[in-house]
Amino acid sequence: GAVVSQHPSWVICKSGTSVKIECRSLDFQATTMFWYRQFPKQSLMLMATSNEGSKATYEQGVEKDKFLINHASLTLSTLTVTSAHPEDSSFYICSANMGGGNRYQPQHFGDGTRLSIL
Amino acid sequence: GQNIDQPTEMTATEGAIVQINCTYQTSGFNGLFWYQQHAGEAPTFLSYNVLDGLEEKGRFSSFLSRSKGYSYLLLKELQMKDSASYLCAVVFGGYQKVTFGIGTKLQVIP
Repeated sequence: GAVVSQHPSWVICKSGTSVKIECRSLDFQATTMFWYRQFPKQSLMLMATSNEGSKATYEQGVEKDKFLINHASLTLSTLTVTSAHPEDSSFYICSANMGGGNRYQPQHFGDGTRLSIL
Repeated sequence: GQNIDQPTEMTATEGAIVQINCTYQTSGFNGLFWYQQHAGEAPTFLSYNVLDGLEEKGRFSSFLSRSKGYSYLLLKELQMKDSASYLCAVVFGGYQKVTFGIGTKLQVIP
C-alpha cells in the first residue's frame, strides 16, 4: 500500500491564486521530505529538501518566496505555490525515505499533484 | 556536473527482453535506483544497486558497474503493461538527495 500520501491530486485555479499541497508519510516519521516538479516529457527536477523543524533547502533557481515549504511535524510537509501563474502549471510530487537517514532505502513518492493555472 | 544519460525512447515486442542503459558521472556516487513511471502517475520503485553486479527481482534485473559509471535495467517476458518511462536515479554525495535522469520511454508492441 501507499506509504506517502499527497493531496490534492488535481488543482485548477485562476492566475494569482495561492495553492497549498500536502505530503504525508503514513505509518513512519520522515524528518526529511523532497519536493519535485515535472514538466511534460521532462525528468523529475528537485525543487527543495524539506526538513522538519528547520528551513527548507532550495535548489538553485527555485524561488524561496514563491514556493513556501513548511515541515511542521514528522509526518507532514506542505508546499504552497504563492500567486501562481500559468508557467507554474506542472506535476508536483513529494517523496520521503522510510529509513530516516539510511541511504539504502529508496524514496517513496506520493501520487503527485497536477496543477493547472488558467 | 552530475550528468545522467539514458536513451529517450525504446520499442520492444511483447514477450521479448529489453535492456535500458544508464551512464552517470562517477564522482560522489552513493547508489543507483531504477523507477517506473506510467504517464500521469508518480514513479514507483523498482530496484536499488550500490555494489557491482546484478540484482534480480522477478522479471526485472538491474546491473551496476561503479568503475564504468554504468547501469542497466533488464526487463524479461515483456508485457503490454510494461509500457512506461523508466527513470535512472543516482545518489550523489548526500545520503538522501537523488538526481533523476530524463527517463527512457519504453513502448511494448504486440
